[in-house]
Amino acid sequence: EDQVTQSPEALRLQEGESSSLNCSYTVSGLRGLFWYRQDPGKGPEFLFTLYSAGEEKEKERLKATLTKKESFLHITAPKPEDSATYLCAVPESVGNQFYFGTGTSLTVIP
Amino acid sequence: GAVVSQHPSWVICKSGTSVKIECRSLDFQATTMFWYRQFPKQSLMLMATSNEGSKATYEQGVEKDKFLINHASLTLSTLTVTSAHPEDSSFYICSARGTLAGVRRAQFFGPGTRLTVL
Repeated sequence: EDQVTQSPEALRLQEGESSSLNCSYTVSGLRGLFWYRQDPGKGPEFLFTLYSAGEEKEKERLKATLTKKESFLHITAPKPEDSATYLCAVPESVGNQFYFGTGTSLTVIP
Repeated sequence: GAVVSQHPSWVICKSGTSVKIECRSLDFQATTMFWYRQFPKQSLMLMATSNEGSKATYEQGVEKDKFLINHASLTLSTLTVTSAHPEDSSFYICSARGTLAGVRRAQFFGPGTRLTVL
């Protein structure tokens, strides 16, 4: 059964304290893994997509990596404005639907 | 690129009335759009998949006669909540499947619509 699991559920960091968020997936024939950021009361904002194991993408303080079983979103020296919920998603094996993880709520304390 | 808008951003209505929410892809064509519902502190729950020119596909447990979806063009899908009741109060988010440079199969999300039914 296709599944996406994110951990931790919530993460509190001091400003400047680097950490990583995890997204584990079980889907046959991965057709991409997508990371989104969602602020309260807003729709998810597209961050990255990764298609093959070993691939990495960077955007400002964020770096996403992908293995055959999981993806990490590394946050380097986070700032309070990085506080948000980070969602990962994978497309189903056949079709257009996405399977979303439950998200990691990140709080960066000044 | 890949901008999706939703209108209205929030709506308050009386129980028993119908509410229409519009989702537009502003700078790309979307043959497939999705409608999600999100409760506080929970992840997105897919309600239906909408394909241009054909009937929407609803997820199990979603009443198609209550949540009417029309995808009349490549840039517009609408969700109508008919005879709304307080339990329909939620955050509704649409997304459009599109292609950005180097990005395949991505879903791009609208800003969401907060529906409150009194």
